[in-house]
Amino acid sequence: DAGITQSPRHKVTETGTPVTLRCHQTENHRYMYWYRQDPGHGLRLIHYSYGVKDTDKGEVSDGYSVSRSKTEDFLLTLESATSSQTSVYFCAISLAGDEQFFGPGTRLTVL
Amino acid sequence: RKEVEQDPGPFNVPEGATVAFNCTYSNSASQSFFWYRQDCRKEPKLLMSVYSSGNEDGRFTAQLNRASQYISLLIRDSKLSDSATYLCVPRAGGSYIPTFGRGTSLIVHP
Repeated sequence: DAGITQSPRHKVTETGTPVTLRCHQTENHRYMYWYRQDPGHGLRLIHYSYGVKDTDKGEVSDGYSVSRSKTEDFLLTLESATSSQTSVYFCAISLAGDEQFFGPGTRLTVL
Repeated sequence: RKEVEQDPGPFNVPEGATVAFNCTYSNSASQSFFWYRQDCRKEPKLLMSVYSSGNEDGRFTAQLNRASQYISLLIRDSKLSDSATYLCVPRAGGSYIPTFGRGTSLIVHP
């Protein structure tokens, strides 16, 4: 299995609080992605990165920001969490932008 | 038309059956295709990559029809452990943003 971890694995927080999710890889893959998955919507891309400090928005980026200061770490921040951001968040990595390998996911609940 | 369309199912089949799923895509520039499987409450895992007309791996066969813009996944001799959601992902050449379908649910029963 690809060396990709996510932390925390589960989090419960309150509306209005900031939340940061971390994705860490040991594969030295160039591309990293953050998705959210909700019933009836499948996987939706939030943000992605194509290199250190190089990031761009996906289809559902409102309310989220990301940072990638090192190849191995990709952080997703919810500046002020809302109940609509309750979801399962998956990080993925890709060497060349084709096959992706996913982390185990973070289950986030915003009360 | 959505970029990627899959029949959500569920497809209910008995063990040992052969089952096939189709996935249609709208971007004619798509050059590579991937099938992922996702177990309940788990992350998607790469099942098969398709770069030409098709690919075969054991009981699994993927076929690509570029003219009609669909790819199919055939599973022979279904096992209980094949129960999962199967996600279709085409990728256009030059793009590093794969587009995920919503998946097809397969339930294999004894």
